[in-house]
Amino acid sequence: DAKTTQPPSMDCAEGRAANLPCNHSTISGNEYVYWYRQIHSQGPQYIIHGLKNNETNEMASLIITEDRKSSTLILPHATLRDTAVYYCIVRSNYQLIWGAGTKLIIKP
Amino acid sequence: NAGVTQTPKFQVLKTGQSMTLQCAQDMNHNSMYWYRQDPGMGLRLIYYSASEGTTDKGEVPNGYNVSRLNKREFSLRLESAAPSQTSVYFCASRPGTGFMNTEAFFGQGTRLTVV
Repeated sequence: DAKTTQPPSMDCAEGRAANLPCNHSTISGNEYVYWYRQIHSQGPQYIIHGLKNNETNEMASLIITEDRKSSTLILPHATLRDTAVYYCIVRSNYQLIWGAGTKLIIKP
Repeated sequence: NAGVTQTPKFQVLKTGQSMTLQCAQDMNHNSMYWYRQDPGMGLRLIYYSASEGTTDKGEVPNGYNVSRLNKREFSLRLESAAPSQTSVYFCASRPGTGFMNTEAFFGQGTRLTVV
């Protein structure tokens, strides 16, 4: 079973920040949180990952709560090309356990 | 940069037929993975290879076999295809071995239909 919980869908206006939540209440102390996205039916694309501290790269920011039971992916200025399914994933041994993700729709 | 290349992109099989899905990466990555994705669902790991010469079962290995031919290539074989194996298959690779604390790169997928 997937170890993460995400809303099935979200809308966001173009140019605004998109905030995608994820719950991972059973995460272990040494497990990382990963975010990938999948545009249409293409291969998934890596976005960002983190353990405890907040992380930022050229694509997004990852905010992890202090108790590590939840996190938020932030796309600071969403564009139409950011419309995709976003997956929040935690590692389980050698595997990434994928849930159904959040379908993010960016509206003009 | 080619990255991860999968062939074929589309395939239709009859029940009971066999076929091999090919995957090659040109990034000198140690670890390679095969996933399947059913409609509306996330990816599920079939097999993985942490390094050349090793393979291990993932979450859903039944009905599949794999071969890590060399560092570049990792193939997935269906010996006797069943309709339940209709899915989109993704190959992935990443640098390093062991726990996945690095970025994984994915191919564009093989869309397989078993009738």
